[in-house]
Amino acid sequence: DAGITQSPRHKVTETGTPVTLRCHQTENHRYMYWYRQDPGHGLRLIHYSYGVKDTDKGEVSDGYSVSRSKTEDFLLTLESATSSQTSVYFCAISTRGFTGELFFGEGSRLTVL
Amino acid sequence: AQSVTQLGSHVSVSEGALVLLRCNYSSSVPPYLFWYVQYPNQGLQLLLKYTSAATLVKGINGFEAEFKKSETSFHLTKPSAHMSDAAEYFCAVSLSTGNQFYFGTGTSLTVIP
Repeated sequence: DAGITQSPRHKVTETGTPVTLRCHQTENHRYMYWYRQDPGHGLRLIHYSYGVKDTDKGEVSDGYSVSRSKTEDFLLTLESATSSQTSVYFCAISTRGFTGELFFGEGSRLTVL
Repeated sequence: AQSVTQLGSHVSVSEGALVLLRCNYSSSVPPYLFWYVQYPNQGLQLLLKYTSAATLVKGINGFEAEFKKSETSFHLTKPSAHMSDAAEYFCAVSLSTGNQFYFGTGTSLTVIP
């Protein structure tokens, strides 16, 4: 199994509170991604990183920010959580950007009340 | 814009029967194509991928898929379903010139004993 750890695995929070999800990898892969999974939508890219301090937006980036200060850690922050951000969030890593295999973490289930 | 269509959000087959999960894509350039499987409460894992080599791709657990350019399809098959194949399956496409993967909305496979 790819060494990807997401934390927390489950979180319940209230509307308007900040939330940070952490993705930690032990594979030293260059590329890291945050996706959200919602019924009927498949997986949608929130943000991705192609190196330390190098990040870019995905298709559903509004309301989210990311940071990558070390190769192994990629943080996803919801500055002010909303109910529409209730979802399962997956971190993924790859060695070849958007042409190679993705390795996924086990997901973080976030509920915003 | 690129897109991925998975026909049938739910597919049921009897144990031992043929599994056929459909995936069609739209792309103006040769794509990279992937099938991922997701078991309950887990992240996605790669079943197989097409990267412009042989059009018939063999993956793990007895699955295979055939790239048909004329039909813009990449259907997933397995000759004989096993109970352990029950899961959600996602087709994904990416381009060498692009900056993201496009995921289908998934097909839930049920295997009936």
